[in-house]
Amino acid sequence: EAGVVQSPRYKIIEKKQPVAFWCNPISGHNTLYWYLQNLGQGPELLIRYENEEAVDDSQLPKDRFSAERLKGVDSTLKIQPAELGDSAVYLCASSLGYGQPYQETQYFGPGTRLLVL
Amino acid sequence: TQLLEQSPQFLSIQEGENLTVYCNSSSVFSSLQWYRQEPGEGPVLLVTVVTGGEVKKLKRLTFQFGDARKDSSLHITAAQTGDTGLYLCAGGGGANSKLTFGKGITLSVRP
Repeated sequence: EAGVVQSPRYKIIEKKQPVAFWCNPISGHNTLYWYLQNLGQGPELLIRYENEEAVDDSQLPKDRFSAERLKGVDSTLKIQPAELGDSAVYLCASSLGYGQPYQETQYFGPGTRLLVL
Repeated sequence: TQLLEQSPQFLSIQEGENLTVYCNSSSVFSSLQWYRQEPGEGPVLLVTVVTGGEVKKLKRLTFQFGDARKDSSLHITAAQTGDTGLYLCAGGGGANSKLTFGKGITLSVRP
């Protein structure tokens, strides 16, 4: 069975440019997460979807970040405009969504490594 | 804000040695998870512990959840080079129902 797929794997852009990341979760997983991981840090939750509904976006910087999960499957995370401090790894994860998020197994994708110059 | 502190931050040992690493907090968690992350990949779940005092074994890895559910330890017996990686603990529970990750422990096992 395929795992969580993310693209692109790497992205280099200049500051003030827009960028988008795409995630395809494991088939049948209702819950989808976007995390930010800075170098030397653990992942930090940006947004959690249950099906197509964003149920926790409290950590998403809404002035420049946006996300969508149309039809409750694939998801896109966008940054516009990107800033130097946005350089990080953006991880997508999914889980079945039948229990509490912190007790379920979250399956992570390989991440998109963003470098903003 | 629930914070998790992991120690030591870095650990380099010889193959065959034993080691114990820690995950501590001043907050109580409903559950605690340990993940391992290799370079260029996402974290992979190793274990979830939910009961205070709980001990779980996964081959050469032994995980323990503290009695007060504020801390956890990971013990590796006879480390192998394949154990090299970043070990993350993540606590969950409370009103926001999200996982809070520690900064991780970078383990290097030398042949």
